[in-house]
Amino acid sequence: GAGVSQSPSNKVTEKGKDVELRCDPISGHTALYWYRQSLGQGLEFLIYFQGNSAPDKSGLPSDRFSAERTGGSVSTLTIQRTQQEDSAVYLCASSPLSRGVISGTQYFGPGTRLLVL
Amino acid sequence: QKEVEQDPGPLSVPEGAIVSLNCTYSNSAFQYFMWYRQYSRKGPELLMYTYSSGNKEDGRFTAQVDKSSKYISLFIRDSQPSDSATYLCAMPQRGGGNKLTFGTGTQLKVEL
Repeated sequence: GAGVSQSPSNKVTEKGKDVELRCDPISGHTALYWYRQSLGQGLEFLIYFQGNSAPDKSGLPSDRFSAERTGGSVSTLTIQRTQQEDSAVYLCASSPLSRGVISGTQYFGPGTRLLVL
Repeated sequence: QKEVEQDPGPLSVPEGAIVSLNCTYSNSAFQYFMWYRQYSRKGPELLMYTYSSGNKEDGRFTAQVDKSSKYISLFIRDSQPSDSATYLCAMPQRGGGNKLTFGTGTQLKVEL
């Protein structure tokens, strides 16, 4: 079946512009996560959605970052007034509804490579 | 200090070698320990997970956990060029969400 898809695969933007990154989770998965992968930093958690609950935004680095999840499916991560330090790979993951760590395994998309000039 | 430390490498080994990849962690609340493999320009995929201290085998891969030392390892036997990837250790945070705390990843290259 189809995995997690993300678009665009690459994005080049100028400093100060806004960008939107899209994630299509695996059908039926109720949990959705955004992570950021930077050189030397590894993957860092950004935000988590679970069903209709309020999202966990504890990993967002600044108020320039926001995310939405419409209809419990597709999610959009928005970065306003981009800065050069925002350059990274933004990864989305989804998992089934489960409180279990293993039954709630996260499946990752290929990521969006963002370059801010 | 990061909660999870991992040597970034790169690590280059000949085909057939035994590879040892390691992580240390500082948060004693971590209970599950995962290894993800990430090929170039792809998302990470779960390779193995362990819960308790000790060893867990899956084919050519062995995951080892020493909770007393807060040290985890992944061993790859008879390494193949197809094992060339970045290996990331990850630990889910307790509480809601299973948010993962990752190491920085070790880049492995297995050469013919």
